[in-house]
Amino acid sequence: NAGVTQTPKFQVLKTGQSMTLQCAQDMNHNSMYWYRQDPGMGLRLIYYSASEGTTDKGEVPNGYNVSRLNKREFSLRLESAAPSQTSVYFCASSEGWYRETQYFGPGTRLLVL
Amino acid sequence: DQQVKQNSPSLSVQEGRISILNCDYTNSMFDYFLWYKKYPAEGPTFLISISSIKDKNEDGRFTVFLNKSAKHLSLHIVPSQPGDSAVYFCAASAGNNDMRFGAGTRLTVKP
Repeated sequence: NAGVTQTPKFQVLKTGQSMTLQCAQDMNHNSMYWYRQDPGMGLRLIYYSASEGTTDKGEVPNGYNVSRLNKREFSLRLESAAPSQTSVYFCASSEGWYRETQYFGPGTRLLVL
Repeated sequence: DQQVKQNSPSLSVQEGRISILNCDYTNSMFDYFLWYKKYPAEGPTFLISISSIKDKNEDGRFTVFLNKSAKHLSLHIVPSQPGDSAVYFCAASAGNNDMRFGAGTRLTVKP
């Protein structure tokens, strides 16, 4: 039982390049989330998927797209990376959307030059 | 505009003593509050939560207090242990899982 896994662990991009961050959970959770963590800012919600087949914008969605591929997998895409997207990205999942504990992956550290 | 604020970036306490971490919020719609703990190179892990209908919730060495009129919550760890050294995030939501997090407080417990 791996919980929430994220790939890659670390990535360096040049401005304008694109990439997809992958996330998978094996807990049969319905809801999944993408956050970014920046120094002095805490975690900020980028997008979430309250249930399979739905996705919605969070607090900071600009510059990102997501895909809920199936119940297990939720990917985050940067179409044209910018230095402002340098951050640590965390994926999380929870059983449901209302007051459910979120379980986080180990994070992906992204550097955009 | 940060709706959840942790004004102390760091806190250092002696092993065995009490650690008190503080959190303030501005949105009066928030009715569910959580604390997460984060070790380096790991994701945050859930620690304890409290609903706005309560003013205190305990789980072993961890107690969360909520003062709704002051829009303030605190996490007490008694007794503090070196393994508690981590970054602690306060989070709040208005009933669902769209949470707002504070910037975190780094706790160091010295042996």
